[in-house]
Amino acid sequence: DTAVSQTPKYLVTQMGNDKSIKCEQNLGHDTMYWYKQDSKKFLKIMFSYNNKELIINETVPNRFSPKSPDKAHLNLHINSLELGDSAVYFCASSPGQGVKDYGYTFGSGTRLTVV
Amino acid sequence: GIQVEQSPPDLILQEGANSTLRCNFSDSVNNLQWFHQNPWGQLINLFYIPSGTKQNGRLSATTVATERYSLLYISSSQTTDSGVYFCAVGSNDYKLSFGAGTTVTVRA
Repeated sequence: DTAVSQTPKYLVTQMGNDKSIKCEQNLGHDTMYWYKQDSKKFLKIMFSYNNKELIINETVPNRFSPKSPDKAHLNLHINSLELGDSAVYFCASSPGQGVKDYGYTFGSGTRLTVV
Repeated sequence: GIQVEQSPPDLILQEGANSTLRCNFSDSVNNLQWFHQNPWGQLINLFYIPSGTKQNGRLSATTVATERYSLLYISSSQTTDSGVYFCAVGSNDYKLSFGAGTTVTVRA
């Protein structure tokens, strides 16, 4: 049973389209994240949510809108896709504060290609 | 933000060799993690180690928080150890800053 699952795994779409990536975790974690990995493999935080509340929005364009309907789900909707949005998007989760081991668990990633 | 520097950028090992990867960071942190990204792109958490020493099989890690560095040791390397190793740090629980990674290639 996958701990953090993302769908779809691959997404190829045209410029200007709107797309969504879904993420679900079954670990009972309180905090969920979206990270973006560029073509040079650099990983950068986009958003953090704790118990459905937005905590971190790391200067991401307004075209990116995360939504957390409950603490087990964090989806990412992207409007008006641009060529520069092509990347691998990773969802992750971690336990709540005060837990001894605060290690992240990552999903398998969604490779987004905008053509 | 916190700057994270990893060295070396690339490492080529013969199977069975030992190696040490280093992570330097620019400010105090209360969260430090090591990850392995395998050739298929999957990111695996190796250690949560804001301070002290931990071991897991052939891997071990040490963080000296007062001197702002962490070390990851790989002993008796295997071809399955190939991939990119990332160090990531944070001053709070909601954001990690990643280093650029060390690409490790283990040759049979």
